[in-house]
Amino acid sequence: QVQLQESGPGLVKPSGTLSLTCTVSGGSITSYYWSWIRQPPGKGLEWIGYKYYSGGTIYNPSLKSRVTISLDTSKNQFSLKLSSLTAADTAVYYCARDGPLQRFDYWGRGTLVTVSS
Amino acid sequence: SYDLTQPPSVSVSPGQTANIICSGDNLGDKNVCWYQQRPGQSPVLVIYQDNMRPSGIPERFSGSNSGNTGTLTISGTQPMDEADYYCQTWAGSTVVFGGGTKLTVL
Repeated sequence: QVQLQESGPGLVKPSGTLSLTCTVSGGSITSYYWSWIRQPPGKGLEWIGYKYYSGGTIYNPSLKSRVTISLDTSKNQFSLKLSSLTAADTAVYYCARDGPLQRFDYWGRGTLVTVSS
Repeated sequence: SYDLTQPPSVSVSPGQTANIICSGDNLGDKNVCWYQQRPGQSPVLVIYQDNMRPSGIPERFSGSNSGNTGTLTISGTQPMDEADYYCQTWAGSTVVFGGGTKLTVL
């Protein structure tokens, strides 16, 4: 059974950079695509981007200038960096696997990140 | 950019059938997934490739997709099905979610 767990600071300052890590167990990140998805309080899901271990990375065009997703195969982890933060970036951030047949089949429990001074 | 539109809310009586629609240009040419999200929980995949159910998802969940509309159907709706439901597809290389529909079972 594949499991994902997000970790990182729960509070970051405006104009700063958010850094989150997703640790994957029960499967290798050298297969499939690995995504970050966020959900502002009381709102819907927003896809941030995904990365494939062989190098392919695709970002949401609306966030592309501020986002970096990377993989660490030695630790079976992938990470998210989002810069130039504003209050609008306050959200629950989920990591998820885009598995076979183009479906998000495994999700982390999510971590709330609040942008505030 | 590609947009998916869902009604904000749908209500259904217990035991009845709930239909949740998702609209997008030529959506029928794409694969659609549906996710259930209960309050305070992570989304759960309930339908993929328009009409396929992952293991462990009850048979009362089904899906269809044609023209500009994808539909999630819940037959014999149970109180435990009360949740937010999101449709999702791919537009080229990017992922798109619908705005979500709150299903109320009353």
